[in-house]
Amino acid sequence: AQSVTQLGSHVSVSEGALVLLRCNYSSSVPPYLFWYVQYPNQGLQLLLKYTSAATLVKGINGFEAEFKKSETSFHLTKPSAHMSDAAEYFCAVRGGGGYNKLIFGAGTRLAVHP
Amino acid sequence: DSGVTQTPKHLITATGQRVTLRCSPRSGDLSVYWYQQSLDQGLQFLIQYYNGEERAKGNILERFSAQQFPDLHSELNLSSLELGDSALYFCASSQGQADYGYTFGSGTRLTVV
Repeated sequence: AQSVTQLGSHVSVSEGALVLLRCNYSSSVPPYLFWYVQYPNQGLQLLLKYTSAATLVKGINGFEAEFKKSETSFHLTKPSAHMSDAAEYFCAVRGGGGYNKLIFGAGTRLAVHP
Repeated sequence: DSGVTQTPKHLITATGQRVTLRCSPRSGDLSVYWYQQSLDQGLQFLIQYYNGEERAKGNILERFSAQQFPDLHSELNLSSLELGDSALYFCASSQGQADYGYTFGSGTRLTVV
């Protein structure tokens, strides 16, 4: 079965610092992987996705993620944090019977301090 | 605006009652997914419909049911409500399968008192 594990339920960085949010996946087939962001009182918004093309994926708002098969990882990074990046971030893998749904990790809450 | 519309945004109801949550998918999307988000369980997949047919079922209680209508909107019915059903309920849609991700609505916050 497919699953994702997000390491660290809370991450705190200073404004301008590197953001690194960790996600490891488990999948018996080549995975399709996703990062979503959820701002307070809003739905989830797709940041970026990996669908077996380039291993370095660029998304919106300056985020990117690198697919590393050898490490079964899909970590999310941003070179310089902005106050507006404070939100909850979810990693997800396509899975389930028929691979027709997304399975989400527990989420990582990112705090950005001035 | 994501294009996925959920109503109502907030709902407060008493234990034992029944409520209906509504979702209109993004134009052109045939699949609708329902998720429950709570502090202790995270994002839990409930059920998926594709063009009116149930395609996948997750951790959905027997007290809960859903359907997708010919115009592709979907409804999630929650009955015999318990305090523990208080959560955010999200609807998402996609053109077909989940290969390229979903578009989420802004959710319905259900509070059972």
